[in-house]
Amino acid sequence: EAGVAQSPRYKIIEKRQSVAFWCNPISGHATLYWYQQILGQGPKLLIQFQNNGVVDDSQLPKDRFSAERLKGVDSTLKIQPAKLEDSAVYLCASSWGRGNSPLHFGNGTRLTVT
Amino acid sequence: GESVGLHLPTLSVQEGDNSIINCAYSNSASDYFIWYKQESGKGPQFIIDIRSNMDKRQGQRVTVLLNKTVKHLSLQIAATQPGDSAVYFCAENIPNAGKSTFGDGTTLTVKP
Repeated sequence: EAGVAQSPRYKIIEKRQSVAFWCNPISGHATLYWYQQILGQGPKLLIQFQNNGVVDDSQLPKDRFSAERLKGVDSTLKIQPAKLEDSAVYLCASSWGRGNSPLHFGNGTRLTVT
Repeated sequence: GESVGLHLPTLSVQEGDNSIINCAYSNSASDYFIWYKQESGKGPQFIIDIRSNMDKRQGQRVTVLLNKTVKHLSLQIAATQPGDSAVYFCAENIPNAGKSTFGDGTTLTVKP
């Protein structure tokens, strides 16, 4: 089966600019997650979708981050305006179930904010 | 009393030796646990999982042990190979929360 696809692989922007990341999950996976991974740390959940509805966005900095999953398949994560501390790898993952099956991760987008 | 393995941020082993990676989880209500392997430049990759009604599960060259009394999880890798060099993360899932919370990783280095 095809894995989770993410683009771009790398992005460098200046602070206060905006950026968007795209994710295409594994076909048939209803649950989609966006995680932020700062260098040297474990992934931290930003937002979780079940089909096209948000089920958990408690850790999403909503003043600058937004995400959507139109039609319950692809998803985009946006940051506007970016801050220096947003430099991280943004990982998209999908799973068959919700909380009872392993996550399948993409290779992430490495964001550098200068 | 029972000894509990400490979480170490780094672990270095000789090729062919067995590796043990430890993880302490935070929530006693967690009922599903997963180990992931993350290589440089890639996303975490599923290795093995275990549910709270079990205390041991074996895969190919890997074994996960769960001690719910002390909220401890370990990953044992038999006959460690250079390709096992990576960062290993444990993750816990709380019932009905639907999300995985990741612990601090352990960087495993295998010396030839």
